[in-house]
Amino acid sequence: KAGVTQTPRYLIKTRGQQVTLSCSPISGHRSVSWYQQTPGQGLQFLFEYFSETQRNKGNFPGRFSGRQFSNSRSEMNVSTLELGDSALYLCASSYRDRGPNEQYFGPGTRLTVT
Amino acid sequence: QQQVKQSPQSLIVQKGGISIINCAYENTAFDYFPWYQQFPGKGPALLIAIRPDVSEKKEGRFTISFNKSAKQFSLHIMDSQPGDSATYFCAASYPLSNDYKLSFGAGTTVTVRA
Repeated sequence: KAGVTQTPRYLIKTRGQQVTLSCSPISGHRSVSWYQQTPGQGLQFLFEYFSETQRNKGNFPGRFSGRQFSNSRSEMNVSTLELGDSALYLCASSYRDRGPNEQYFGPGTRLTVT
Repeated sequence: QQQVKQSPQSLIVQKGGISIINCAYENTAFDYFPWYQQFPGKGPALLIAIRPDVSEKKEGRFTISFNKSAKQFSLHIMDSQPGDSATYFCAASYPLSNDYKLSFGAGTTVTVRA
């Protein structure tokens, strides 16, 4: 079974621009979560989508948004980029019906804001 | 704030030695405790997980010990190998309106010297 894929793998943007990142979950997984990873803050939860609905949200400003499509693929968008948004953005998928949250991560998108 | 506190930040162990990473939590609603392993340039990969009704779980050279009363859990890597050199994250999650969100520790970088 193919793993979680994320595109693009690397991205360089300028402060003030916006960016869209894409995630394709493992086949059959309906839940997609997004995390931001930085050396200073570690792994921080952004939001989670299940069946095209946002079901959980972390403590990030409204500049960070996401959506999920009917095929479970997900995108996250960051508007008005700031230097502090430079990070590795990780997507994770799971079945998420019930029980423990066994999440499987993609390789991430490395975003650099200059 | 960090809901799961992880220590040490880094450790160096000789090949064949034991690596021990500790995590502590405050929220007694947490009911699922996974460990993730992350290599440079890759996303975190689920290594092993435990529920609070079990005090120990072993998979190969990796063992989780869980102390519910102390609200602590730890990862032991027995017979450490150079290929185990990676960053390890503990995490915890709890049911929140049927949603599960992972809270991660800050990570421990393990270096195994040959």
